[in-house]
Amino acid sequence: QKEVEQDPGPLSVPEGAIVSLNCTYSNSAFQYFMWYRQYSRKGPELLMYTYSSGNKEDGRFTAQVDKSSKYISLFIRDSQPSDSATYLCAIPAPATNKLIFGTGTLLAVQP
Amino acid sequence: DGGITQSPKYLFRKEGQNVTLSCEQNLNHDAMYWYRQDPGQGLRLIYYSQIVNDFQKGDIAEGYSVSREKKESFPLTVTSAQKNPTAFYLCASSTGTQMIGELFFGEGSRLTVL
Repeated sequence: QKEVEQDPGPLSVPEGAIVSLNCTYSNSAFQYFMWYRQYSRKGPELLMYTYSSGNKEDGRFTAQVDKSSKYISLFIRDSQPSDSATYLCAIPAPATNKLIFGTGTLLAVQP
Repeated sequence: DGGITQSPKYLFRKEGQNVTLSCEQNLNHDAMYWYRQDPGQGLRLIYYSQIVNDFQKGDIAEGYSVSREKKESFPLTVTSAQKNPTAFYLCASSTGTQMIGELFFGEGSRLTVL
């Protein structure tokens, strides 16, 4: 079993839709959870960073962590064509200086 | 502007040739990383370095080599021993504290082996 698994998509939604992107993880010691966004032919950039369980909101984006289910989600409200990108969840491996990435979900928001 | 610069952006190579990808950062970060990205496989760690003159193998180091002679530079050599080198290569850096924080990525180098 992979340490981090991510719904592969691709996902295509109309402009204005609510988008839900999800990852599961296997190690209950994981404490920090990140979402990166990667536009086509570019490097990823950090979108959101959360610690432990609960929700964190930043504009149209909400990151949610459910440690009991080992499930993390990124919600995008009022999605825009400019949100079209690959979204990668990432989790720091404890006691290391390494990030474990999900495989990424390709999102297309249609105008 | 601070950031990570990777070159070349696109590179073509014949089988059996070594090729070196450049990565330079002016963020004054201690840690630097090389990832490989293939469709459907996400980012896989090739090598990382937390300090000058020191580096560690990642998950897929076979067929690759690196050096870290200067803080700002972390070149990656894809050797002829790498069985399937066609991929998108990403270099990243971080502040290098004990718990990894944000990774800053370059724009990537796309290598195609003909």
